[in-house]
Amino acid sequence: QVLLQESGPGLVKPSETLSLTCAVSGGSISSDNWWSWVRQPPGRGLEWIGEIHGGGNTNYNPSLKSRVTVSMDKSKNQFSLNLNSVTAADTAVYYCAARIHLSFYWGQGTPVTVSS
Amino acid sequence: EILMTQSPATLSVSPGERATLSCRASQSINSDLAWFQQKPGQTPRLLIYAASTRATGIPARFSGSGSGAEFTLTISSLQSGDFAVYYCLQYNYWWTFGQGTKVEIK
Repeated sequence: QVLLQESGPGLVKPSETLSLTCAVSGGSISSDNWWSWVRQPPGRGLEWIGEIHGGGNTNYNPSLKSRVTVSMDKSKNQFSLNLNSVTAADTAVYYCAARIHLSFYWGQGTPVTVSS
Repeated sequence: EILMTQSPATLSVSPGERATLSCRASQSINSDLAWFQQKPGQTPRLLIYAASTRATGIPARFSGSGSGAEFTLTISSLQSGDFAVYYCLQYNYWWTFGQGTKVEIK
């Protein structure tokens, strides 16, 4: 059973960088899988942010591509999200997630507020 | 980029009735489609993957169908715990979510 756990600041100032980490247990982040970030603004739907493969390749949502970086730390079996130049529109619950074999795994989500 | 369109945005259904939710892709995604249920304050729950395969522990009243670009989620007899928001997700090329269908009590 793969478990995902997000961590990071719950409050970020406008124009700064939002940084979150997802710790993976029960599976190797170096495996042939894609590890994703998804967000959900208050009262709104789910938005895919981007993903990283166990081999290091990345893909990003075109609408966020200029501000997003997803990276991984194999030694810690975790992957990370950096979103720069944040505004209030980036306030959301951020989830890490993965599709492994035939199922989907999600972290419990971490709320992030962008405010001064 | 693949766009996903769900309809209707809101579906009002009485308990015990059938609910039919639709999801359309902007291009063929084969059967690379999943359905999730989300209740307020909760993580999305996987219902269906590969367009028509129920996830572990999902009751038989939930069924998925379709392939290519047109997909349907049917809940055969709505129970009180089924009133929630439902999202489709294509995973054929990156990920794209539909905007969601809220199933509410009529």
